Amino acid sequence: GAGVSQSPSNKVTEKGKDVELRCDPISGHTALYWYRQRLGQGLEFLIYFQGNSAPDKSGLPSDRFSAERTGESVSTLTIQRTQQEDSAVYLCASSLRLASDTQYFGPGTRLTVL
Amino acid sequence: RKEVEQDPGPFNVPEGATVAFNCTYSNSASQSFFWYRQDCRKEPKLLMSVYSSGNEDGRFTAQLNRASQYISLLIRDSKLSDSATYLCVVRGTGGSYIPTFGRGTSLIVHP
Repeated sequence: GAGVSQSPSNKVTEKGKDVELRCDPISGHTALYWYRQRLGQGLEFLIYFQGNSAPDKSGLPSDRFSAERTGESVSTLTIQRTQQEDSAVYLCASSLRLASDTQYFGPGTRLTVL
Repeated sequence: RKEVEQDPGPFNVPEGATVAFNCTYSNSASQSFFWYRQDCRKEPKLLMSVYSSGNEDGRFTAQLNRASQYISLLIRDSKLSDSATYLCVVRGTGGSYIPTFGRGTSLIVHP
């Protein structure tokens, strides 16, 4: 079946612009996570959604970052007024449930802020 | 001290070698442990979960040592295709479902 998909695969933007990244999780997966991976670094948790519960936003680095998810489907991560330090790969993962062991990752969106 | 620490490597080993990586974690209340594999410029994929009793999957063996707060991954009979970055993941501290990823250990298997 289809895996997690993300779009765009690459995004180059100018400092100060807003960007929107999209994630389509595996159908039926109730949990969805967003991560950021800077070059040579580990994955940094940003936010997770579980069904219709309130998301855990504790990893969002600033109020320029926000995310939404419609039910148990598509999620968007929005970064407002982008800064050069936002340049990274943004990875989305989904799992059957929040407590599930296995997270399935999408291919990521590589964001470059000039 | 970082929550999850790994030796970044790289570990350069010949085909057929046995290689082991360790990962230490700082919070003794951590509940779940995993190894993920990440190929260059690709997304991470779950390699195996790590159970208290240890577990084995083919050439791969994972162990958990709660007393010393580390997990290990042993790869026997290394293949060229094992070349990748291996990420240690710890989850479940204080009832949280937020995973903490290590920076990863780079493995290069050469002919």
